[in-house]
Amino acid sequence: ELKVEQNPLFLSMQEGKNYTIYCNYSTTSDRLYWYRQDPGKSLESLFVLLSNGAVKQEGRLMASLDTKARLSTLHITAAVHDLSATYFCAVDPSTGTASKLTFGTGTRLQVTL
Amino acid sequence: NAGVMQNPRHLVRRRGQEARLRCSPMKGHSHVYWYRQLPEEGLKFMVYLQKENIIDESGMPKERFSAEFPKEGPSILRIQQVVRGDSAAYFCASSPQSGSFQHFGDGTRLSIL
Repeated sequence: ELKVEQNPLFLSMQEGKNYTIYCNYSTTSDRLYWYRQDPGKSLESLFVLLSNGAVKQEGRLMASLDTKARLSTLHITAAVHDLSATYFCAVDPSTGTASKLTFGTGTRLQVTL
Repeated sequence: NAGVMQNPRHLVRRRGQEARLRCSPMKGHSHVYWYRQLPEEGLKFMVYLQKENIIDESGMPKERFSAEFPKEGPSILRIQQVVRGDSAAYFCASSPQSGSFQHFGDGTRLSIL
């Protein structure tokens, strides 16, 4: 059974600081996704990483994927309050036509002034 | 450019009643996925459907739960004889093809009295 683990589960950081969220998964996969969820809301797509060494950046967020280590990171640069949310990574292990995501437990990020 | 539409947004049922959750995928998307999110947890895959076919229902409870995606109309997730443990947020996602980015709806929050 595929397991996806994120750490930390909760992160409180000051504005202007940098930090990294880690996502480890237990089986081979070339597709990894990052989503953001605000309380009581749906999931907002952030990044899709499709190959080893892939790096994507949007604003203060940068995601990378190391398929050999089965590790993805979400790096936050100079955090601002608006980034406060829960961040999920999700892995799609399918190689055929089936497709389902296995989500991590989520990292709840709180950015304080 | 409508996204994934789910209704109702909130649904309250008494124990033993039936709950019907609806999902209209994005235009041009023929793949639909249902996920369940318990409070303070990540999303858990339930079922993956294409038009008129169930592709993968490995995450569906064996009893009381069923899903369909008819040729015409929205996908329906049906929960019969609901129990308190069914209280959760149910999210639908859609994609144009297997393995591509899944876009999520706003979810249906089901509360069982």
